[in-house]
Amino acid sequence: AQSVAQPEDQVNVAEGNPLTVKCTYSVSGNPYLFWYVQYPNRGLQFLLKYITGDNLVKGSYGFEAEFNKSQTSFHLKKPSALVSDSALYFCAVRDRNTGGFKTIFGAGTRLFVKA
Amino acid sequence: SAVISQKPSRDICQRGTSLTIQCQVDSQVTMMFWYRQQPGQSLTLIATANQGSEATYESGFVIDKFPISRPNLTFSTLTVSNMSPEDSSIYLCSVEFEGSFGTGELFFGEGSRLTVL
Repeated sequence: AQSVAQPEDQVNVAEGNPLTVKCTYSVSGNPYLFWYVQYPNRGLQFLLKYITGDNLVKGSYGFEAEFNKSQTSFHLKKPSALVSDSALYFCAVRDRNTGGFKTIFGAGTRLFVKA
Repeated sequence: SAVISQKPSRDICQRGTSLTIQCQVDSQVTMMFWYRQQPGQSLTLIATANQGSEATYESGFVIDKFPISRPNLTFSTLTVSNMSPEDSSIYLCSVEFEGSFGTGELFFGEGSRLTVL
């Protein structure tokens, strides 16, 4: 069965500093990996995805994530955090071999960026 | 991208009643899904809404409790039946566009926040 772990409930970072939000996954086959962001009282928005190819993927709002197959990780990063990045971030996985179109979400990590 | 409209955006319901949530997409989509997000928690997939056939439910969710309709490629409804306070949650409609063969990202509606008293 596929699963996603986000080990940190909350990440605090000062504005201008780099940020990392961690994600590890477990699938029986090869994964499709996604990051989504949820701003207060809003629906989820897609940030970026890894399907195949280059392990470093770039997405919206200056975010990027690196797929590491050996560590089964897909950490979200940004070189310089903004206060407006404060939100709830979800990592998600889809098992391309067995899971079809079913997307499983992690528990979410709340990011606080302090001015 | 797509515009996904959900109604109602929020409601307060009495125990034992049922409520139907509507999801309207501004373009045709192959895959439509219904998720539940309980307060402070992650998203849990309820079911895949299949056009013209019965929905595919995930473990722990049954058709009698969460009947789903999908009469065409742009519209779906989720009914939460015989509600209890444990059903208080945000219900999210999401879609994936045709042709992405599972590689596509999901687009979400704004959600329907239900409070059951």
